[in-house]
Amino acid sequence: DAKTTQPNSMESNEEEPVHLPCNHSTISGTDYIHWYRQLPSQGPEYVIHGLTSNVNNRMASLAIAEDRKSSTLILHRATLRDAAVYYCILRESGTYKYIFGTGTRLKVLA
Amino acid sequence: DTAVSQTPKYLVTQMGNDKSIKCEQNLGHDTMYWYKQDSKKFLKIMFSYNNKELIINETVPNRFSPKSPDKAHLNLHINSLELGDSAVYFCASSPSLQTQYFGPGTRLLVL
Repeated sequence: DAKTTQPNSMESNEEEPVHLPCNHSTISGTDYIHWYRQLPSQGPEYVIHGLTSNVNNRMASLAIAEDRKSSTLILHRATLRDAAVYYCILRESGTYKYIFGTGTRLKVLA
Repeated sequence: DTAVSQTPKYLVTQMGNDKSIKCEQNLGHDTMYWYKQDSKKFLKIMFSYNNKELIINETVPNRFSPKSPDKAHLNLHINSLELGDSAVYFCASSPSLQTQYFGPGTRLLVL
């Protein structure tokens, strides 16, 4: 199973952009990169996913390195409600299995 | 309307007891999952069902038995509960291989 590496924690000021990095050096060509976040006392929720190209949605942007060995989740303007643990996950094409890593705990300062 | 619901939300029980956790989804998804999140917040998949058929069965003690009576329900029965079973159990569902939607979790404490 491919694995991901993320910093344990990060801090950001409110209203500023946040870049959450993820390394996945053993990624294979068919692995999708998913990001989920877990707010306190809640289940994980989907943020964004991609395969090769950068992706944007209303919650965030996903920047994927050309060699796909790393990716960055970008929150354009962090709010206090974005304080959560952010998980970078690889999913093999054709499988249902997510392998969650330890995630990055994001703290947003008012 | 809650998309993925779990009951109970909290469960406190004695070692050796048998208990069940129920999960229901009203999203029309064909795949459902059970995850365990331990005290260190590490989230690990346990089981997955697709159209009522078991497709993922990780290395989980056979005291844990999932049951899917229909596509909208996936229950988890645990026999002979042990202290180490204390954790938060999350149910999730997805339309085939797409985005997973998680329930609010069931907090199990074994005394």
